[in-house]
Amino acid sequence: QVQLVQSGAEVKKPGASVKVSCLASGFTNEDMHWVRQAPGQGLQWMGRTNPSGSRTTHSQKFQGRLTMTWDTSTNTISMELRDLRSEDTAVYYCARESYEDSGNYFDHWGQGTLVTVSS
Amino acid sequence: DIQMTQSPPSLSASVGDRVTITCRASQVISIYLNWYQQKSGAAPKLLIYAASNVHGGVPSRFSGSGSGTDFTLTISSLQPEDAATYFCQQSFGSGRTFGQGTLVEV
Repeated sequence: QVQLVQSGAEVKKPGASVKVSCLASGFTNEDMHWVRQAPGQGLQWMGRTNPSGSRTTHSQKFQGRLTMTWDTSTNTISMELRDLRSEDTAVYYCARESYEDSGNYFDHWGQGTLVTVSS
Repeated sequence: DIQMTQSPPSLSASVGDRVTITCRASQVISIYLNWYQQKSGAAPKLLIYAASNVHGGVPSRFSGSGSGTDFTLTISSLQPEDAATYFCQQSFGSGRTFGQGTLVEV
């Protein structure tokens, strides 16, 4: 049974960094993505990674600020965002991407982690 | 980046109505288009993948169609529990992008 359990809410000051983790169970090989949602807004794709890191890529919007890692010993995927700004206040989701011949899609999501950036 | 444009931004319909939401990609994406439902305070849930494939456990009143740049999500007979925001998402190429969402009120 696939489960994604994320770490708890965070409050950070502008300029700080935040690390959100996602404990995965029930699978080991699929790509994992990070998606965020600012209050009252839509979904914004941030990036993806795989266990070896060979397919790690991210949106240019986060150039230089985003690092995603996968600890295969604990099957924990982490996302670190640096130099936080107020506009980074959002709920951050991890999501598993499954592949079929016909396409690829996010079939499992974590419960979300609220990150609040405030002075 | 591939841009996804959804319409309408919101709609209000009655129980039993047929509801259609459209999504347009800024370039051809074949059938690499998925639809998600998000209820308030919850993570999105997959409804439709590869444009027209209904995900397991999703009621049969949900259907999807389209290919290339233009796609449609249809709810054949709207139910009270369908009140939610619906997002399209493209999975063509290395990045992923979502439409802005459509809020459905019942």
